[in-house]
Amino acid sequence: IVVTQSPLFLPVTLGQPASISCKSSQTLVHSNGNTYLHWFQQRPGQPPRVLIYKVSYRASGVPDRFSGSGSGTDFTLRISRVEAEDVGIYYCMQGRDWQTFGQGTKVEIK
Amino acid sequence: EVPLVESGGDWVQPGGSLRLSCAASGFTFSNSWMNWVRHTPEKGLELLANMGPSETQKYYVDSVEGRFTISRDNAKNSLFLQMNSLRVEDTGVYYCVRDLEHGYYDYWGQGTLVIVSS
Repeated sequence: IVVTQSPLFLPVTLGQPASISCKSSQTLVHSNGNTYLHWFQQRPGQPPRVLIYKVSYRASGVPDRFSGSGSGTDFTLRISRVEAEDVGIYYCMQGRDWQTFGQGTKVEIK
Repeated sequence: EVPLVESGGDWVQPGGSLRLSCAASGFTFSNSWMNWVRHTPEKGLELLANMGPSETQKYYVDSVEGRFTISRDNAKNSLFLQMNSLRVEDTGVYYCVRDLEHGYYDYWGQGTLVIVSS
């Protein structure tokens, strides 16, 4: 399954919303009924960490300004109000068939 | 306490071998699915191999099948990746991760750098 993110570069204004799209080449609905699409954030100099799992579940410790939505093959990560600490690279990843990552979206402050 | 700590990354010539280790703590390692993920300039993030609690549950991405071997020692809370026949394109940062459910990685190590170059 190929996972494609857009945009690959996202300049954002502090306090403004931002969104990243993730599209998969096949449905991510597993035979068990779950949809395995996850979002990860990688801040500069750090390993990635999970933000959102199974489309819309916020991981422990993740601020509520982050949200995930979507179904089937189209998914979106939204940041309601961007903060300086949100700078980094964001990856979506599908886990329905093996696990494959999107190319990453680099978020920078304008 | 950091849940996962990798070691073993180094510079190696093409065709050489390396063994990566990952020390786990603070969770029940023996019941956990564990994965090796790497980040390379060419391919970005890539799942290389994963392993369930049992020795019989091992899976690999095509590009490393037959060259890399994942293993674990539950008594020592450790995960390993034996890498043989290394190629220049294997250069990257290698992460040990815990996989809760089909890619839901709740723990990542800090990563260990592997450089394959002549």
